[in-house]
Amino acid sequence: AQRVTQPEKLLSVFKGAPVELKCNYSYSGSPELFWYVQYSRQRLQLLLRHISRESIKGFTADLNKGETSFHLKKPFAQEEDSAMYYCALGGGGSEKLVFGKGMKLTVNP
Amino acid sequence: DVKVTQSSRYLVKRTGEKVFLECVQDMDHENMFWYRQDPGLGLRLIYFSYDVKMKEKGDIPEGYSVSREKKERFSLILESASTNQTSMYLCASATGGYGYTFGSGTRLTVV
Repeated sequence: AQRVTQPEKLLSVFKGAPVELKCNYSYSGSPELFWYVQYSRQRLQLLLRHISRESIKGFTADLNKGETSFHLKKPFAQEEDSAMYYCALGGGGSEKLVFGKGMKLTVNP
Repeated sequence: DVKVTQSSRYLVKRTGEKVFLECVQDMDHENMFWYRQDPGLGLRLIYFSYDVKMKEKGDIPEGYSVSREKKERFSLILESASTNQTSMYLCASATGGYGYTFGSGTRLTVV
């Protein structure tokens, strides 16, 4: 079975501090990992996916198959990064995703 | 711009009513999904469809059904609404492994 764990529900940091949002997954096949973000009163949107290896809004995430992790990182957090973040897992040729329970990031001025 | 449109932003229904939530996408995506989003529980898959008239149960299908008569439209049906179905309902579509495009959600309250 596919499972995604986001171990922390809340993270509060000051502007300019580094952030790391943790995501661990369980899957026997070849995983496809995504991070989604939901800003206040906006729809969920794709932030990045591991296969594209791109940096969006200063965020990066590296798939570590040995540790079964896909942590989201940003070296200097901004107030506009305050949002809910969800890690999601797919694979096996299906478009279906399993989501973690989400984490609320608050960046204080 | 890619679009997934959910017909209602807010709905209030009475217990026992039959409720229809509509979702339309204009991207010609094969795959469409219905999730419910609850605080502390994240997103849980109710049903999904990978083609017209095709559907599969997700993790929490009880009390729900779906319909996909046309590629662009995926409807979620609550056969007899109950208070524990009060939630935010999210529709999404996807193709090609690029991830989901979500609608803006329908906040359903069952009283």
